Amino acid sequence: KAGVTQTPRYLIKTRGQQVTLSCSPISGHRSVSWYQQTPGQGLQFLFEYFSETQRNKGNFPGRFSGRQFSNSRSEMNVSTLELGDSALYLCASSTDRIRAFFGQGTRLTVV
Amino acid sequence: KQEVTQIPAALSVPEGENLVLNCSFTDSAIYNLQWFRQDPGKGLTSLLLIQSSQREQTSGRLNASLDKSSGRSTLYIAASQPGDSATYLCAVLEGSGGSNYKLTFGKGTLLTVNP
Repeated sequence: KAGVTQTPRYLIKTRGQQVTLSCSPISGHRSVSWYQQTPGQGLQFLFEYFSETQRNKGNFPGRFSGRQFSNSRSEMNVSTLELGDSALYLCASSTDRIRAFFGQGTRLTVV
Repeated sequence: KQEVTQIPAALSVPEGENLVLNCSFTDSAIYNLQWFRQDPGKGLTSLLLIQSSQREQTSGRLNASLDKSSGRSTLYIAASQPGDSATYLCAVLEGSGGSNYKLTFGKGTLLTVNP
C-alpha cells in the first residue's frame, strides 16, 4: 500500500510569488492535514480537510489556503510568499482522524 | 492553549545504553499521544500511539507510557543502537465534539547514539 505522497519534494521561490503544494493520501484515507515545520517554531498545524470540507484551521494568515478534491488529494497554496515561509511542509492522512501517517514533506525555500 | 514540552532537547549516549525521553503537556483533555521519529530533512514515522484510556504501549525495544492526569509521557528505548539516532517528537491529539482534531507537537529530542 503506497504511503502519503507529497510533490514536489523541493521548491525554491522568490518573495512575492505564490506556490502550490500537493499531497496524495493513502488510499481510502479521507482526512488530510497540513503542518509547517521550522527550526524556531517546530511543527505547527495549518489545517485539516475531511471529505472535501475544511474541518479545522490553525493560526496562520489568510495567505495560506488549501482544498481537497473528491479523490481526497489535497493542495495547499501560499500566496505572496515571505522569507519566513521557508519551511518543511508536511502532509498527513488518516482514515479515522485519530492516527496520522505523514509524507516525506516539501522543502520550500523563499529567496 | 495546549503546550507540549520535551526534555531534554538533545541527548548523546553510547551504544547499548537504555534511555528515557520525556514529554509533558498542559491540557489533559487529549484523545491520544503519539511518538514519532524524524530523520534529518525527512517526514515523520509513527513509533507508538497510546490512547487516552491506556497506560502504555510497546513495540520491540520501545516502550511508551502515559499518565494523563499528570500530563506526562515517557519513551523508553532499550539497548540503543546508532540507527536510533534521530529526532523524537511527541504529539497529543486534541479536538472537541468529534471535530477540530489537530496534533500539537513538542519541539523534539535530538538523540545521538555513538558507536
